[in-house]
Amino acid sequence: QSALTQPASVSGSPGQSITISCTGTSSDVGVYNYVSWYQHHPGKAPELIIYEVSYRPSGVSNRFSGSKSGNTASLTISGLQAEDEADYYCNSYTGTLWVFGGGTKLTVL
Amino acid sequence: EVLLVESGGALVQPGRSLRLSCTASGFTFGDYTMTWVRQAPGKGLEWVGFIRSKASGGTTEYAASVKDRFTISRDDSKNIAYLQMNSLKTEDTALYYCIRPLGPCYSSSCYTGYFQHWGQGTLVTVSS
Repeated sequence: QSALTQPASVSGSPGQSITISCTGTSSDVGVYNYVSWYQHHPGKAPELIIYEVSYRPSGVSNRFSGSKSGNTASLTISGLQAEDEADYYCNSYTGTLWVFGGGTKLTVL
Repeated sequence: EVLLVESGGALVQPGRSLRLSCTASGFTFGDYTMTWVRQAPGKGLEWVGFIRSKASGGTTEYAASVKDRFTISRDDSKNIAYLQMNSLKTEDTALYYCIRPLGPCYSSSCYTGYFQHWGQGTLVTVSS
């Protein structure tokens, strides 16, 4: 099972919005709505920020939103803040297994 | 509060074995799938595998990269999940995380994804 495809890096200024894409195939992202996103600050444990494409766990800021179209899922972060600078990973169900994207490093300029 | 503590990480030679443990507290351990995810130095997250709850058969699934070498098991009486790693390779060098998903695993429906609670990880280094 190949990893999902994410851009290696994205950047934005405080207050702006950015979108991170996560491209899979018709065997994972395209057929299942079991897509989740994780925020990972180096040295800390990753945090679940979006599940089932667009749902936020309790306590996660509503500045984070998720969507999906075809084989591509997207994470949008609005009103960028310095604390959003981190690595972001998508994850999808493949029918029996789970697969992560390669990760995207978000830099807040 | 959900707490997951991994242990057992070490420096080990290629071809040898190692067993990691994940001690859980703060929830009904037997009701949940337990998952292992790893992160090699400078690399991204890689899903390793999971074990379902006994109510869902206690079955396991593994990534192709570790299938037939790694085995996940659980001891619900001790609230511990294990990752037995055999025939270790240098590419298995990574920080290994133990994870509990968002929801429980019952016979009627079973969460195996949506990795909500993570341990701090235990480091495995495979090198001669």
